[in-house]
Amino acid sequence: EADIYQTPRYLVIGTGKKITLECSQTMGHDKMYWYQQDPGMELHLIHYSYGVNSTEKGDLSSESTVSRIRTEHFPLTLESARPSHTSQYLCASSEDGQGTEAFFGQGTRLTVV
Amino acid sequence: GQNIDQPTEMTATEGAIVQINCTYQTSGFNGLFWYQQHAGEAPTFLSYNVLDGLEEKGRFSSFLSRSKGYSYLLLKELQMKDSASYLCAVRSGGSYIPTFGRGTSLIVHP
Repeated sequence: EADIYQTPRYLVIGTGKKITLECSQTMGHDKMYWYQQDPGMELHLIHYSYGVNSTEKGDLSSESTVSRIRTEHFPLTLESARPSHTSQYLCASSEDGQGTEAFFGQGTRLTVV
Repeated sequence: GQNIDQPTEMTATEGAIVQINCTYQTSGFNGLFWYQQHAGEAPTFLSYNVLDGLEEKGRFSSFLSRSKGYSYLLLKELQMKDSASYLCAVRSGGSYIPTFGRGTSLIVHP
């Protein structure tokens, strides 16, 4: 069982609110990722990090920001939520190395009303 | 960029064998993953291929042909709990970040 945790699991929030989605892993992985997934669609990479103080934007344009102050923690923040942000957000981590798979958290299902 | 193609949906009977195909176009191929994702849950790792050939792991096997840009996931002795979405993901270049296909929704019926 993967030791990567996301909170909250479900969140309903009003337009314009600031929110932070939490992600923590206890495996000591350097690499961490945030994906966005709509029902029946592929996972889209929105942010990733190769280690502390390293963050990069992914393929999908996102109005969110991330930080990586500690190895185990990779929170994602939306400064002003909009209905278009309604989606499932999945956090993942992996070790360095060629064949290392990503371990995923349970996800946060966000609804902006 | 990468282009990953999988069938949207497949159905199969309990106890049968099913093959889920994945084709991809990428430069600098660096590995292919299969993940299983049950509805409302996180994807979980099934297999990894970087060299041509078949990798077997219990009821699940995965095959790769790099020259054809093709992989398949073979599920034997299907069980009802195998009903899930199966995601093909490809890494390319020097990146360790996988790009995911849309997934194939497999429905196993009695």
